[in-house]
Amino acid sequence: EIVLTQSPATLSLSPGERASLSCRASQTIGSLLAWYQQKPGQAPRLLIYDASNRAAGVPARFSGSGFGADFTLTISSLESEDFAVYFCQYRGNSPPERTFGQGSKLEI
Amino acid sequence: QVQLVQSGAEVKKPGASVKVSCKASGYTFISYDINWVRQAAGQGLEWLGRMDPNSGDTHYGQKFQGRVTMTRDTSKNTAYLELSGLTSEDSAVYFCAREDWLPSSPLDPWGQGTPVSVSS
Repeated sequence: EIVLTQSPATLSLSPGERASLSCRASQTIGSLLAWYQQKPGQAPRLLIYDASNRAAGVPARFSGSGFGADFTLTISSLESEDFAVYFCQYRGNSPPERTFGQGSKLEI
Repeated sequence: QVQLVQSGAEVKKPGASVKVSCKASGYTFISYDINWVRQAAGQGLEWLGRMDPNSGDTHYGQKFQGRVTMTRDTSKNTAYLELSGLTSEDSAVYFCAREDWLPSSPLDPWGQGTPVSVSS
């Protein structure tokens, strides 16, 4: 069973600063990783898929990197609407299970 | 546009079952899998399972096997999640999400969520 560990649990930054969030897998997973943003009372929103591909409509300040077991979501210059919780997710094929990290909260 | 619209909030007693619906629009329903994910208050995301609406094939998370059933009605473009033997620990918001068959495909989009409260 693949376990995803996100760090830090909480990151406190100011608008305009750069944010880096980490997601580490317990085994190598290639690039089968996605990142989601969730705001209070809302469903998660897809940001990044296949480790580094931005989803449609996602601002260019969001980028994903990594391969194997270590992945990073970077927000180049924080805007007020970016303060939220971020989850990483792995799509397994054998068995075909989906695994989430525990989340990282980005706060002002 | 592609959209998943879920049924409304539910309140259930311990031991009961709940059935949540997820109606798809804006795409060919049978061409994409539907996954179900839940989130307890203030907690992370927990995957319950997935269903292929074309074949009806399902794969359930190990934790939920024996208690969860995922079905669909292709004439209504609607997927269903049924969870039985409810306890207070099943109180959560339940989300459906679409997924393509490609290995790298993510969950996108998500339904708005259905709150389920289990209380005596």
